Amino acid sequence: TQLLEQSPQFLSIQEGENLTVYCNSSSVFSSLQWYRQEPGEGPVLLVTVVTGGEVKKLKRLTFQFGDARKDSSLHITAAQPGDTGLYLCAGAFMEYGNKLVFGAGTILRVKS
Amino acid sequence: KAGVTQTPRYLIKTRGQQVTLSCSPISGHRSVSWYQQTPGQGLQFLFEYFSETQRNKGNFPGRFSGRQFSNSRSEMNVSTLELGDSALYLCASSPGTSGVEQYFGPGTRLTVT
Repeated sequence: TQLLEQSPQFLSIQEGENLTVYCNSSSVFSSLQWYRQEPGEGPVLLVTVVTGGEVKKLKRLTFQFGDARKDSSLHITAAQPGDTGLYLCAGAFMEYGNKLVFGAGTILRVKS
Repeated sequence: KAGVTQTPRYLIKTRGQQVTLSCSPISGHRSVSWYQQTPGQGLQFLFEYFSETQRNKGNFPGRFSGRQFSNSRSEMNVSTLELGDSALYLCASSPGTSGVEQYFGPGTRLTVT
């Protein structure tokens, strides 16, 4: 059983559509981060959430952290081709020494 | 500030050889972590160094080792390379003592033949 589950694995949508990516765990996150990675590059940090119920916005991206700090979502409004990439959630768990554990990732393809 | 730099960017080695990868963190960052990324396993944590001491370690065999220098630069070594070691090796640095927020370099693409 994976410590951190991310879904869906793959999304292919048309430009202008909305989408949501989910990240869940049976353990409590001490913090959670979302990254975006493009081919041939390292992941780029988008946001860190720490407080249960927290909502953060980054232009058309909205990040939510569950009240119990066991889940998070990334919502993209009116997706654009430039949003194409691999989206990764990564959680730190106090019981695991705060090592960062990455989800398997969501490959997003936005078609124009 | 300059970002995290990794050298080399691409490397081809044969089975049984060893390899050393280098990482220079963002100036002022004292925590450096290494990750292996493969299509099948995703991003997996190798180890983290803080102030020249290994602070955390993932579940990789002893063939994978690392070290950090007094200027926070880090190296990772893999000995007796296996075909399954082919991967993108990513280095990330972090500003705080908690080492949670990671700023990644572009990675080193290692191919073992």
